[in-house]
Amino acid sequence: DAGITQSPRYKITETGRQVTLMCHQTWSHSYMFWYRQDLGHGLRLIYYSAAADITDKGEVPDGYVVSRSKTENFPLTLESATRSQTSVYFCASSRVGQKNNEQFFGPGTRLTVL
Amino acid sequence: QKEVEQNSGPLSVPEGAIASLNCTYSDRGSQSFFWYRQYSGKSPELIMSIYSNGDKEDGRFTAQLNKASQYVSLLIRDSQPSDSATYLCAFEGGNTPLVFGKGTRLSVIA
Repeated sequence: DAGITQSPRYKITETGRQVTLMCHQTWSHSYMFWYRQDLGHGLRLIYYSAAADITDKGEVPDGYVVSRSKTENFPLTLESATRSQTSVYFCASSRVGQKNNEQFFGPGTRLTVL
Repeated sequence: QKEVEQNSGPLSVPEGAIASLNCTYSDRGSQSFFWYRQYSGKSPELIMSIYSNGDKEDGRFTAQLNKASQYVSLLIRDSQPSDSATYLCAFEGGNTPLVFGKGTRLSVIA
């Protein structure tokens, strides 16, 4: 049971480049989420998705784009990376298809923007 | 603005003692509450869910919920050095996804 996976686990990129972080879950959970975690800020929600082709903004969506063409995948794209987007990014999914229910997290992607 | 307040710590307890972690939340209508444990460099891991007032026990962990006081706590009995981590409190925010606190760092001293 693979659960929820993220790739790459580590990424170094340069300012202005486009970067896509991948998230894949094998549980067929309806809801999926992207967070970033920075020291002093805790977990901040970037975007979430209730189902394929349904996405909503979270607390800090600027500079990010998401898509969800398949239930199991929820990629996050930084269209033009900035240094302020250096962070650890976590993908999560929610059991029983309720966004307020328990969330399970992937291992994270550590992104450095130079 | 839905918020969760947690003492950032660090909370230091000796091995074998009871660690008490506390959290207050802003939304009086919230029905679901969660505790996550996050080891350094790792992702948050769900350890407890609580939905009703009172206590819920799972092994060495006890979650306590008081909706009238908008307060949820996590007790860790017989604390072990392996319990050293950051503990995140979260609650459901109605029509929005879970609201997370910034976490309390626990250090169990051997």
